[in-house]
Amino acid sequence: DGGITQSPKYLFRKEGQNVTLSCEQNLNHDAMYWYRQDPGQGLRLIYYSQIVNDFQKGDIAEGYSVSREKKESFPLTVTSAQKNPTAFYLCASSIDSGGPTGELFFGEGSRLTVL
Amino acid sequence: AQTVTQSQPEMSVQEAETVTLSCTYDTSESNYYLFWYKQPPSRQMILVIRQEAYKQQNATENRFSVNFQKAAKSFSLKISDSQLGDTAMYFCAFMNGGYGQNFVFGPGTRLSVLP
Repeated sequence: DGGITQSPKYLFRKEGQNVTLSCEQNLNHDAMYWYRQDPGQGLRLIYYSQIVNDFQKGDIAEGYSVSREKKESFPLTVTSAQKNPTAFYLCASSIDSGGPTGELFFGEGSRLTVL
Repeated sequence: AQTVTQSQPEMSVQEAETVTLSCTYDTSESNYYLFWYKQPPSRQMILVIRQEAYKQQNATENRFSVNFQKAAKSFSLKISDSQLGDTAMYFCAFMNGGYGQNFVFGPGTRLSVLP
């Protein structure tokens, strides 16, 4: 079955450590996104990528980094510079960054807790 | 900048009854898309229904329907014959036509379906 796989589902990190969240999709989608979800807030865009080897900052990119070396993969690194990293992180993809479909398909999310 | 407002942080409904979730948005664009996403306790976001702004007819998907009032910038979701499995967070989202990275999500409404 096609879909988006995020791992790990739960992750604990000590302050000062970097951590990388994995996102893989087999939907052959061009665009991929990382969102952060906090209680009482909607999803906020961290980074997005429309094509391989290209990505753009979203609304809250500070303290995060990404790469897009393969169409299927869009890992997110939460660096020690991120001041409040404890959150739920959602990866998503869409067929194209624009166009009439535009629907986002989501992974199951990764819960990061900083101890 | 586009904004999405959901004025009802929490709602409850008895099983088999009908409930309406409110959503308003602000945009100066004429070509856009609106979505309702459901996030059950499993945390995976699932598309419930979508509406293209250029279509006057309200979208319907089984028990889910929308009331799209373009002039009022309102996009409410009606759930008929509510089921226990409808218990979830519901997010209203706006996408600027042609720009998938410009998804804007509302803060969500937590719906509880009571037996």
